[in-house]
Amino acid sequence: NAGVTQTPKFRVLKTGQSMTLLCAQDMNHEYMYWYRQDPGMGLRLIHYSVGEGTTAKGEVPDGYNVSRLKKQNFLLGLESAAPSQTSVYFCASTLDVFNYGYTFGSGTRLTVV
Amino acid sequence: KNEVEQSPQNLTAQEGEFITINCSYSVGISALHWLQQHPGGGIVSLFMLSSGKKKHGRLIATINIQEKHSSLHITASHPRDSAVYICAVRSAEYGGATNKLIFGTGTLLAVQP
Repeated sequence: NAGVTQTPKFRVLKTGQSMTLLCAQDMNHEYMYWYRQDPGMGLRLIHYSVGEGTTAKGEVPDGYNVSRLKKQNFLLGLESAAPSQTSVYFCASTLDVFNYGYTFGSGTRLTVV
Repeated sequence: KNEVEQSPQNLTAQEGEFITINCSYSVGISALHWLQQHPGGGIVSLFMLSSGKKKHGRLIATINIQEKHSSLHITASHPRDSAVYICAVRSAEYGGATNKLIFGTGTLLAVQP
């Protein structure tokens, strides 16, 4: 089915380990976003991309890096995981920020111990 | 004070009741989104509004730009409507749209049979 696919769905990391979260969409969307969702808070933007080869910082970018080498994929990297990065991560995409809604992935639940 | 406030935070209803969830915001916006998140699940986009009213099935969303307020109504509620409903606004800085969505913290709705 068309949509946004996030992998993995669950992961437990030890402090200091690194990992990459993959977001893939098959809708030819230009805009892609990484958010984190924490209890009692609204979703917060980590990084985003307005097209292949571009990335930009969001509200809470520290400790994360991203890449958009192919239009359909948006990767979120944690170089040295910290317990503060325990969260649920959502990827989202849209064709056009003015005229279309967003399609979200099913989320990645990450625990850093 | 959060830029996007939702009320109530928690809502319990009996099956068949008419439900209203409110969203107030304090920034200039170019669009407002209503999203649905089932427990442990992904996020689904319900509506994108910039003015007036939209209807989809038993869901109705309205927005009053002058009052900076939106409502999500559910008619003939059903237990499967139980979810977190999230309001998000696309801010409009300097008269233009940005890539930033500002999210409310959500309204947890439980519809009892």
